[in-house]
Amino acid sequence: KAGVTQTPRYLIKTRGQQVTLSCSPISGHRSVSWYQQTPGQGLQFLFEYFSETQRNKGNFPGRFSGRQFSNSRSEMNVSTLELGDSALYLCASSSSLLGEKLFFGSGTQLSVL
Amino acid sequence: AQTVTQSQPEMSVQEAETVTLSCTYDTSESDYYLFWYKQPPSRQMILVIRQEAYKQQNATENRFSVNFQKAAKSFSLKISDSQLGDAAMYFCAYRGTQGGSEKLVFGKGMKLTVNP
Repeated sequence: KAGVTQTPRYLIKTRGQQVTLSCSPISGHRSVSWYQQTPGQGLQFLFEYFSETQRNKGNFPGRFSGRQFSNSRSEMNVSTLELGDSALYLCASSSSLLGEKLFFGSGTQLSVL
Repeated sequence: AQTVTQSQPEMSVQEAETVTLSCTYDTSESDYYLFWYKQPPSRQMILVIRQEAYKQQNATENRFSVNFQKAAKSFSLKISDSQLGDAAMYFCAYRGTQGGSEKLVFGKGMKLTVNP
């Protein structure tokens, strides 16, 4: 089985732009969640989707949004980028059975200049 | 809100020796899951070991084992016979069981160096 695939691996943007990151979960997985990783704040939960519905959302401004498609692929969007949005964005998928493992992708490294 | 604390930002160990990584957490829930994840330079988070809170028996996975002390809210990871490939960032994580969410709460992480 292919693992969780995140594209692109690296991205450079300037302040004020918007960006869309993509995540393809493991085949058969219906749950996708997103995390932001920075040296200062560590790993923080962004949001979680199951069957195209947002199930939970972290404490991030409305500039951060996401969605999940019928094939379980997910995208997250950040509008009006700020320097502080520079981070590694990690996606994880699971079959959503209680206690089931989360499988992570290798992330998208976003740099905002 | 749940919190996870890893008080040691860095540790080092000699190859073939044993090292213990500490983690404490705070929660008001009685049922939950605890995890140790490893993040090598490739950046991918890799699950090392998982513990269900309702199980008293400590989880083990080959050279990796945990010491789960529910009353003390402590969850340490022991790596035996350390190998060079064990060098990575290690994160302790908590996941509750209420509401069906799979949200993980992570500690700040600990950098493990393995010396040959």
